[in-house]
Amino acid sequence: QVQLQQWGAGLLKPSETLSLTCAVYGGSFSGYYWSWIRQPPGKGLEWIGEINHGGSTNYSPSLKSRVTISVDTSKNQFSLKLSSVTAADTAVYYCASHLSSGLPSDWGQGTLVTVSS
Amino acid sequence: AIRMTQSPSSFSASTGDRVTITCRASQGIASYLAWYQQKPGKAPKLLIFAASTLQSGVPSRFSGSGSGTDFTLTISCLQSEDFATYYCQQYYSYPYTFGQGTKLEIK
Repeated sequence: QVQLQQWGAGLLKPSETLSLTCAVYGGSFSGYYWSWIRQPPGKGLEWIGEINHGGSTNYSPSLKSRVTISVDTSKNQFSLKLSSVTAADTAVYYCASHLSSGLPSDWGQGTLVTVSS
Repeated sequence: AIRMTQSPSSFSASTGDRVTITCRASQGIASYLAWYQQKPGKAPKLLIFAASTLQSGVPSRFSGSGSGTDFTLTISCLQSEDFATYYCQQYYSYPYTFGQGTKLEIK
């Protein structure tokens, strides 16, 4: 079974860039999709975007101008960068992997990212 | 973007009850509908995909139905571990979107 371990800075100032990485253990890295999803405190889930094994990405239109998802197959890792963060970006960020587009089946443990001056 | 609306937003039930949660899409999504369960402080867990297919390891008391715009998640006999928040999600078209969640609490 695939296991995901994520990490990154948990406290940012406005205008900084959020950077999170997710390592994939226990499964083949090829043929998968990898996603990032976030959840503001006390609120629902928001899909950020996904990347497939070929490197093709799809992003939420509301974040597209600020987000980059990339994959490093040599390290079995994928990453999220979100630029120019504001307090509205404060959330728990989850990485996820899946065999079908848009269907996260294995999730990381989540990382709380707080944006505050 | 396709809007997903769940009802109710929250409700109380007792162990052993049969409960149904509804999810409506703002446009047709065929059967590209998933249900997730989330407990406090934990990542969501995929329960059902393709509207009615149970993810491996999920108890058979969970079932899903529907297609097009209207979907339901049914728990046939509530167990204590089922009290959680449930989300539907469409993966028919980008951007993929979630419902606002339904919080199931103990009566």
